[in-house]
Amino acid sequence: DTGVSQDPRHKITKRGQNVTFRCDPISEHNRLYWYRQTLGQGPEFLTYFQNEAQLEKSRLLSDRFSAERPKGSFSTLEIQRTEQGDSAMYLCASSPVGGGEQFFGPGTRLTVL
Amino acid sequence: LAKTTQPISMDSYEGQEVNITCSHNNIATNDYITWYQQFPSQGPRFIIQGYKTKVTNEVASLFIPADRKSSTLSLPRVSLSDTAVYYCLVGGYKYIFGTGTRLKVLA
Repeated sequence: DTGVSQDPRHKITKRGQNVTFRCDPISEHNRLYWYRQTLGQGPEFLTYFQNEAQLEKSRLLSDRFSAERPKGSFSTLEIQRTEQGDSAMYLCASSPVGGGEQFFGPGTRLTVL
Repeated sequence: LAKTTQPISMDSYEGQEVNITCSHNNIATNDYITWYQQFPSQGPRFIIQGYKTKVTNEVASLFIPADRKSSTLSLPRVSLSDTAVYYCLVGGYKYIFGTGTRLKVLA
């Protein structure tokens, strides 16, 4: 499968715990994006990388959130001290550097108890 | 970034053509118009993208008037499996999703 993959697909955690999600983009794509989607809403942009550089972060991304793409390939999104409001689907997408279509992964559904 | 406005929901019957119109009055010169489809518990899936006039692919057509302040996604002969949420997006690298249009296809 040459699409965008995300791991895990589901994560249940207790409030206050840290969680980390992984995204593997399409291999030749330079750009990688993270979005968050809550029930009944469209995805909200969180951040994006071009190669290993994080070029933009949304104000939605509080200090408890951090994203990395150390070698310009896979990316991780970490949430520290999770809160119930963090419960959502976290989507990763990738695209070529020239822009155009973003290819989305299946998402990681986070439930914070 | 341009904000988009779409109908919240639409119903249609199998075999009919469905047209979903999106308003984007503040679209910028460099912005493209992109439509995505999303099924429950899945990531959005690209349908079509255009800049002006008409674009057609194997699944849909996209009509964009000269002023580019709106666009219409046309789905020919919908089936039950087309029941999904459809998002209209404008912009470059950063997508701003609205709440989308929930299309329900009835038998």
